[in-house]
Amino acid sequence: GAGVSQSPSNKVTEKGKDVELRCDPISGHTALYWYRQSLGQGLEFLIYFQGNSAPDKSGLPSDRFSAERTGGSVSTLTIQRTQQEDSAVYLCASSWQVNTEAFFGQGTRLTVV
Amino acid sequence: AQTVTQSQPEMSVQEAETVTLSCTYDTSESNYYLFWYKQPPSRQMILVIRQEAYKQQNATENRFSVNFQKAAKSFSLKISDSQLGDTAMYFCAFMSLSGGSNYKLTFGKGTLLTVNP
Repeated sequence: GAGVSQSPSNKVTEKGKDVELRCDPISGHTALYWYRQSLGQGLEFLIYFQGNSAPDKSGLPSDRFSAERTGGSVSTLTIQRTQQEDSAVYLCASSWQVNTEAFFGQGTRLTVV
Repeated sequence: AQTVTQSQPEMSVQEAETVTLSCTYDTSESNYYLFWYKQPPSRQMILVIRQEAYKQQNATENRFSVNFQKAAKSFSLKISDSQLGDTAMYFCAFMSLSGGSNYKLTFGKGTLLTVNP
């Protein structure tokens, strides 16, 4: 595709529900990142995928958060049993190689009510 | 761990004038990149400029330039001939290139720049 695509653009969910956020990176990009942007914490790294290597999950805030990347392309970030503090914008980025420019999607704004 | 500090939460500038956004960082690494990203209301982060730490020459991209002071760990962004479309949140970011790093970006808190007509 022309750019990194994220869906949905906005998501409102009830506390305790599970949500899935999708990221479709630029074709051919081997590296994929998830970040979270919230008013209180700014931009935080969540997880990183690089090719076929094991993902770096060091930024995931709790075991309610998980992510996968199927076939080295599309990635899904899953949040189980959502809490109000999970409300944030979730940004996905991809890059051709790890030390090249990262291109960001427009993010998913998650609101937990 | 690296930290990035942007001490100016908000700034404003008149159209066509010049403005400088400040950024300092803390790291023990010697090999890294620094970035300035722009985030307009559309939420999409857009790369403005990149600086490799090993390069002494300051990066320049059209109206955007940086003042990279490696010893002082300072990385400011200068925007010349400001335009209304420059209104956005600007983030300074650090990326370590050391072995074992995941090449993640560490961001500052951001500076909201408003360009006034």
